[in-house]
Formats: sequence, C-alpha cells, structure tokens
Amino acid sequence: DAGVIQSPRHEVTEMGQEVTLRCKPISGHNSLFWYRQTMMRGLELLIYFNNNVPIDDSGMPEDRFSAKMPNASFSTLKIQPSEPRDSAVYFCASHGTASNYGYTFGSGTRLTVV
Amino acid sequence: AQTVTQSQPEMSVQEAETVTLSCTYDTSESDYYLFWYKQPPSRQMILVIRQEAYKQQNATENRFSVNFQKAAKSFSLKISDSQLGDAAMYFCAYRRGGGATNKLIFGTGTLLAVQP
Repeated sequence: DAGVIQSPRHEVTEMGQEVTLRCKPISGHNSLFWYRQTMMRGLELLIYFNNNVPIDDSGMPEDRFSAKMPNASFSTLKIQPSEPRDSAVYFCASHGTASNYGYTFGSGTRLTVV
Repeated sequence: AQTVTQSQPEMSVQEAETVTLSCTYDTSESDYYLFWYKQPPSRQMILVIRQEAYKQQNATENRFSVNFQKAAKSFSLKISDSQLGDAAMYFCAYRRGGGATNKLIFGTGTLLAVQP
C-alpha cells in the first residue's frame, strides 16, 4: 500500500497564478479530506468528500478555492487566483469504512505564494 | 460545536524519562473517538494512538499510553522511556462516531523536545 499520495511536495508560485494540488487516496477508502496547516490557524478542514461527493465545504476560505473528486482515486484542490496569504501546507487524508480508525495523511504540499 | 484544547504549547523531557501531554475536549456526543498524532520535522502526520469513547480501558501502544477520563473530558498522552526520535509536534484530535464521514478536529498542538 503506497499510502496517500500528494503532489507536488513543494510549490512556489507568483501571486495571481492558478495553483492545483493533487491527491490520490488509499485504494478502497471512501472518504477524502483536505486540510490546511498554518502557524496562525493550525490544522483547518477545508472540505471533505464521501464516495466522491462533497459533504462539507464550509471550511473553504473563499471562492478562489475549489475542490473536485472526479473518481475514487483522485482529487484536486485549486486556488485561482492565488494570494500570499494562501501560503501554507495543504494535507490530503483518506479514511476507510472502519470507523474507529483515524485518517491516513499524505505528506502534504508546501505552497508558497510570492 | 466540538472543540479540542491543548494547553501546553511546548514541553521538554530528558531522554529515557517519562512525559505527559495534556488534552481536553468538549462535546455533547456519547459516541466518539480520540486520537494522538505525531508530526515530526518531515511534516508527515503519523497516528500514534486512538481511543474509543465506549471503552473504559486506556489504550496503549508500546511506549505510548493514554489516560482517558471521560467524565472530565480529558485525554492525556504518556510517553515512557522517551527517545530522541519522539521529538515532534503532537496533536490531539477528536472525531464524532456514527460513520466514516465525520471530520477530525485538532487541537493546536504541543511541541515536544527531547534532551539527550
């Protein structure tokens, strides 16, 4: 099992550019979560999907952020246009049907917007 | 709304000694799960230990154990025989039970330093 795979590991972009972060969950996991980690706000849930359907996107900061899960093995988080305050580590996590387990996290994408 | 509080921003322990990290939570639910995650400098989030609220017995995983006090809504992590590799940020997390679609709510973390 390769775990949750995120790409890229690091991303540096200029303000105003579009950024796309990618995630491949663990095969067979039916829930996928996007978290953002910053020093000021800690770990925040942005959005999560169950069976590819968005369940709760109340954590998405504004319309510049969008997330999709076109199939069970792939999800994207897009920021357009990006701003310096979006600089953070973005984690993807997946979860299976055994409800007493925590989530498995990817290695995260460190995004820097200059 | 459920909340998780970690009141110790930083802790330090001598190698081979024992340290306890504190966590309290607030919920009106009766079915839930609690977790401790470790985040070393590599930034990988690693599940250390979990506790089901319906279990009275405290969870243990090798050198890691918890003290789960349900009535007090307290969930502390004890690390015995601390090792240099235990140095990391530790996050306490809560998840409501009842299915696979419930989000993890994290505390603000405790940064643990291990002194040789």
